Amino acid sequence: EDQVTQSPEALRLQEGESSSLNCSYTVSGLRGLFWYRQDPGKGPEFLFTLYSAGEEKEKERLKATLTKKESFLHITAPKPEDSATYLCAVRQTGGFKTIFGAGTRLFVKA
Amino acid sequence: NAGVTQTPKFQVLKTGQSMTLQCAQDMNHNSMYWYRQDPGMGLRLIYYSASEGTTDKGEVPNGYNVSRLNKREFSLRLESAAPSQTSVYFCASHERQGGNEQFFGPGTRLTVL
Repeated sequence: EDQVTQSPEALRLQEGESSSLNCSYTVSGLRGLFWYRQDPGKGPEFLFTLYSAGEEKEKERLKATLTKKESFLHITAPKPEDSATYLCAVRQTGGFKTIFGAGTRLFVKA
Repeated sequence: NAGVTQTPKFQVLKTGQSMTLQCAQDMNHNSMYWYRQDPGMGLRLIYYSASEGTTDKGEVPNGYNVSRLNKREFSLRLESAAPSQTSVYFCASHERQGGNEQFFGPGTRLTVL
């Protein structure tokens, strides 16, 4: 069964304290792995797509990496405005369905 | 370019009442989706429409119906609302081919009493 598990459920950081969020997945043929950011009361906002193991993508203080079993979202020197829920999702080869993890709530304190 | 829009933003229903959630996108995308989001459970797919004229069940379709009115619009109907349908509903769209990301609307917060 296709599945996405994110950890930790919640993460509290001090401003400038770097850390990583984990996304473990099982899927029969990966078409793409997606990271989204969701602010309270809003819809998810796209961050990255990763297609194959070894691929990395960066955007400001965020860097996403992918292996055959998991993906990491590294946050370098976070700021309070990085506080949000980060969602990981996978799409199967040849399919339209995207499976989402439950998310990691990130809190960054000034 | 408004992206994905949803109406209403908030709604309170009584058990047994019906309502339709509206979704529209102006990005000329072929595929559209309805999800529900509950605390601790992530986004779960209710129904999707791979292209205009087609609809398919997702993970949690019971109690819902959908209509792909045209390429732009995809509506979700609750025929007889139940408290278990209290949730936040998101509509999304993306291009049919490739590993493209989905674009989400702002959500509809529904409470069923």
